[in-house]
Amino acid sequence: AQTVTQSQPEMSVQEAETVTLSCTYDTSESDYYLFWYKQPPSRQMILVIRQEAYKQQNATENRFSVNFQKAAKSFSLKISDSQLGDAAMYFCAYSEVRGGADGLTFGKGTHLIIQP
Amino acid sequence: DSGVTQTPKHLITATGQRVTLRCSPRSGDLSVYWYQQSLDQGLQFLIQYYNGEERAKGNILERFSAQQFPDLHSELNLSSLELGDSALYFCASSSGGSGRETQYFGPGTRLLVL
Repeated sequence: AQTVTQSQPEMSVQEAETVTLSCTYDTSESDYYLFWYKQPPSRQMILVIRQEAYKQQNATENRFSVNFQKAAKSFSLKISDSQLGDAAMYFCAYSEVRGGADGLTFGKGTHLIIQP
Repeated sequence: DSGVTQTPKHLITATGQRVTLRCSPRSGDLSVYWYQQSLDQGLQFLIQYYNGEERAKGNILERFSAQQFPDLHSELNLSSLELGDSALYFCASSSGGSGRETQYFGPGTRLLVL
């Protein structure tokens, strides 16, 4: 079974600084998708960014970018110019591509604290 | 707002009871996924439906069941409830069911079993 590991239960960063959240995964598949979701105190799950495994170019969405290392099975999220509104739980997720998808496999999450 | 709606937002019930959670996917989406988020287990995939048919099963208990109706809304039925079933239950939807599509999550239903 696929597993997703987020080794940082909590991270803290000063407002306007840059922070990187780590994620590693284990799979024997070659075709898959990776996601970062944000869960603020409202508990809503919000998509931050997605990466297709067959694309070597790292995905970016405004202040959010990823460092996707397929051989190392690593998928880190970089948040630039951190803002107070970025404070949330961040979940890394894996999705396999085949005839019948099994839903998303999530890591345990990283609690991001933004210090003013 | 993701476009996925879930009702009710909160549910308080007693052990042994049965509840039904409802989800309406985004307009045009054919797949519905159910997830459970608890302190013990984290976020776990329960079950997926695609255009009315069960597509995949995850860690869903036998006491739990789901279905997707012709109008594509879905219901998750939880029976013989136990204290450990207290959790946040999410529904998500996507346009297809291959795993390529982004899943958009509803606001969740918070279930408390007393």
